[in-house]
This record gives sequence, C-alpha cells and structure tokens, in this order.
Amino acid sequence: ETGVTQTPRHLVMGMTNKKSLKCEQHLGHNAMYWYKQSAKKPLELMFVYSLEERVENNSVPSRFSPECPNSSHLFLHLHTLQPEDSALYLCASSLQLGVASEAFFGQGTRLTVV
Amino acid sequence: GQQVMQIPQYQHVQEGEDFTTYCNSSTTLSNIQWYKQRPGGHPVFLIQLVKSGEVKKQKRLTFQFGEAKKNSSLHITATQTTDVGTYFCAGRIGGGSEKLVFGKGTKLTVNP
Repeated sequence: ETGVTQTPRHLVMGMTNKKSLKCEQHLGHNAMYWYKQSAKKPLELMFVYSLEERVENNSVPSRFSPECPNSSHLFLHLHTLQPEDSALYLCASSLQLGVASEAFFGQGTRLTVV
Repeated sequence: GQQVMQIPQYQHVQEGEDFTTYCNSSTTLSNIQWYKQRPGGHPVFLIQLVKSGEVKKQKRLTFQFGEAKKNSSLHITATQTTDVGTYFCAGRIGGGSEKLVFGKGTKLTVNP
C-alpha cells in the first residue's frame, strides 16, 4: 500500500451517467494529481492541485471535472463520457510542488464507458 | 509538445539474461524518475536521478542519467521472474515545473 487510496476500483458507466472517482491520502502531502492511463499511450497528466488550488489543467475536456476540498482528498467528477474515455485513472500525491519529490500512486480506478 | 521517448516498447528475455530500457528527451530535464508497474498494479517509484552523469544502483538495477540530462537508462542484470512489469521513465521539465512527462514504458516479460 502506498498510502493513496482510490475508490471505486472498477466502474462501468453509461454515456449519460454521472459518477465520481475518489482519491484519499493521509501522507501529509500537499500536491495531488489525476493521471489517465490508456493502452499503448503514456501516462497522461490531467490535473494538478497544490494546497487545494488547481495549478494545471492539461486541456482536459470539460466532461471531466476535478474537485479538491482539502489537501487529503481529490475527486474526479465524470459526466457524459465517451467510450474512448475508458481507461485506468490514477491518482497520485507528492510532498509538495516545486520540489523534486516522488509521486505516490493509488491503485487506480478501471473505468469502462459503455 | 514535450515528449519523453522510451525504447523498446516490449522486451522478452530468458531468466538470467540482462535487460536495458532507454529514455530520451528532446529537452533538458531537471531530473528523471523511474517507476515500475506490475501487471494489474499501479506505478511504484524506484529512483530519482538529478545530477548530470549520475549513476545509482539498487541491487541488480543500475540507473544512469546522461551528461546532457536528456537521456537515461535502466539496466537489470540477470533478470528474475519477479522483474516482470512495465518500467516507466518520467522526466521533469526544468524551471520548477511540477509536470512529470512519462515515457510510454517498456514492458518486460521474463521466461523462467
């Protein structure tokens, strides 16, 4: 266990559904991230939060909406997704921004959009 | 955009053989990290290299950072079945950016 917990582990949703992914860390880290991992593609950084403030949004479609209510929790709200959004969504945290620190990944949520 | 190229994409070896994966960036990296992802698992941090020409070892694993800080390699000596998984390099672009740019990874399979 890395100290980063993601729920649910698996999710199947229809294109008209609304769902949320949850990430939780109690490592005392100030930075949290969402990554998307698709087959045959590199890990894609989606969002970066530092002390609950979004500092990076890598041209992610608006059907993905992140929320960081505090430094320990991160959500990814999903609505009207497309089948090509099916992927493994990984949450990660690191000590803080601007410092060369390792990323601790959660186990991911395997999302299937039908 | 900024890219980190990693080769080979796949590598199949016999147990006991050596294995190397290479990582190249078009821009200078402030540091580079290596991660391992077991089948069905999540990326787990292995090591970070910061200095030009740096070499670090972890048991049978040797990590190198190029002199120009644009390339890196991971070498595994005498592979074991426990080494199977996908190895990713992740380069941090300079200027204090928190953006870790991941390579596509090298998937290693080991035949016992």
